Amino acid sequence: AQSVTQLGSHVSVSEGALVLLRCNYSSSVPPYLFWYVQYPNQGLQLLLKYTSAATLVKGINGFEAEFKKSETSFHLTKPSAHMSDAAEYFCAVTQTGANNLFFGTGTRLTVIP
Amino acid sequence: SAVISQKPSRDICQRGTSLTIQCQVDSQVTMMFWYRQQPGQSLTLIATANQGSEATYESGFVIDKFPISRPNLTFSTLTVSNMSPEDSSIYLCSVLRDRVATDTQYFGPGTRLTVL
Repeated sequence: AQSVTQLGSHVSVSEGALVLLRCNYSSSVPPYLFWYVQYPNQGLQLLLKYTSAATLVKGINGFEAEFKKSETSFHLTKPSAHMSDAAEYFCAVTQTGANNLFFGTGTRLTVIP
Repeated sequence: SAVISQKPSRDICQRGTSLTIQCQVDSQVTMMFWYRQQPGQSLTLIATANQGSEATYESGFVIDKFPISRPNLTFSTLTVSNMSPEDSSIYLCSVLRDRVATDTQYFGPGTRLTVL
């Protein structure tokens, strides 16, 4: 069975501050992990994905995430928040042989000017 | 990448009626999926749309309530039947080009459904 847990349904940061969105996964086999972003009234857009290559994954818009097997984590970070980063962020997991994604409950990021 | 369009983008429907949502992709894809996103919640997979055969439904979802068609490799429809206010959600179509877990799943813009 697979699942992801996103700690913190709401996160607020000041503009220019570090963004840290937490994701922990549960998987009986090596997982593939994804971060998606959903802007208001839009669909989901892929930020980055981990597919068992480099553990530090760089994505679009300055985001990156590090796969830590020992901690079963895949936290999303960005050094300096921008107002345009305000959105809902979803962590998702899948595995070899599966095609559908299992999503976390999402984290709403607010950026304070 | 894949460009996905959905129609309608939003609708307000009366209880007991049905709504069919269309999903169109700009190129052929291997797999198509339908997700539901209830207000303030995450995405839940409804079913995998299979070309030329019956869709594969996840636990808690049935064909009578959510009939799905996929006549070709670029198009699928989801019908929400006999609607109730609990069906008010965003319905999203997604696609995979290849049948591998590492492939990126692309999402449509969603259909925002409100049932009165």
